[in-house]
Amino acid sequence: AQSVTQLGSHVSVSEGALVLLRCNYSSSVPPYLFWYVQYPNQGLQLLLKYTSAATLVKGINGFEAEFKKSETSFHLTKPSAHMSDAAEYFCAVRGPGYSSASKIIFGSGTRLSIRP
Amino acid sequence: EAQVTQNPRYLITVTGKKLTVTCSQNMNHEYMSWYRQDPGLGLRQIYYSMNVEVTDKGDVPEGYKVSRKEKRNFPLILESPSPNQTSLYFCASSLSQSRGRYEQYFGPGTRLTVT
Repeated sequence: AQSVTQLGSHVSVSEGALVLLRCNYSSSVPPYLFWYVQYPNQGLQLLLKYTSAATLVKGINGFEAEFKKSETSFHLTKPSAHMSDAAEYFCAVRGPGYSSASKIIFGSGTRLSIRP
Repeated sequence: EAQVTQNPRYLITVTGKKLTVTCSQNMNHEYMSWYRQDPGLGLRQIYYSMNVEVTDKGDVPEGYKVSRKEKRNFPLILESPSPNQTSLYFCASSLSQSRGRYEQYFGPGTRLTVT
């Protein structure tokens, strides 16, 4: 079974500062991992995904995430925060295979605020 | 434009009055799913469908029904809504649940209030 934990329900950074959003997962099989972003009054949009091809994954809007198996982590980073990055971010995990038991599990979300 | 559409976007109703939230995708996706989003709980899956005429329960199916008669449509039915079903609902679809095509595309959401 898979699970995902996002550390910190709210993160606040200054514009131009490093963004670090933490995600730890639990999976009994090699996982597929995702980060989604939700802007106010909108649905979720895929930021990036890890599918075992490369441990450092680059996504849209300058975000990237690194898969660390030894730490069971998939933290999201961005070198320099922009005001437009203010949103809620969700980490998600899925096991491989075509099975009714292999479904995407979402974390509880981290709200990112950007200070001018 | 490739998209997932939901209707209505906002709905206020009373306890016990049956309602349907429609979901449609134009990407020929096999997999469709319904989630509810509540503060501090993230997204919880209500029902999902691997393909036409194939549906299964997610984590919180009580009080909901779905059907998948056509590939593009996946309506969510609340036969007798109750206040604890007040929530933000999302429909999502993905190309397939095989060969790693797992990323989901989300609709804009339906905010439901049951009084």
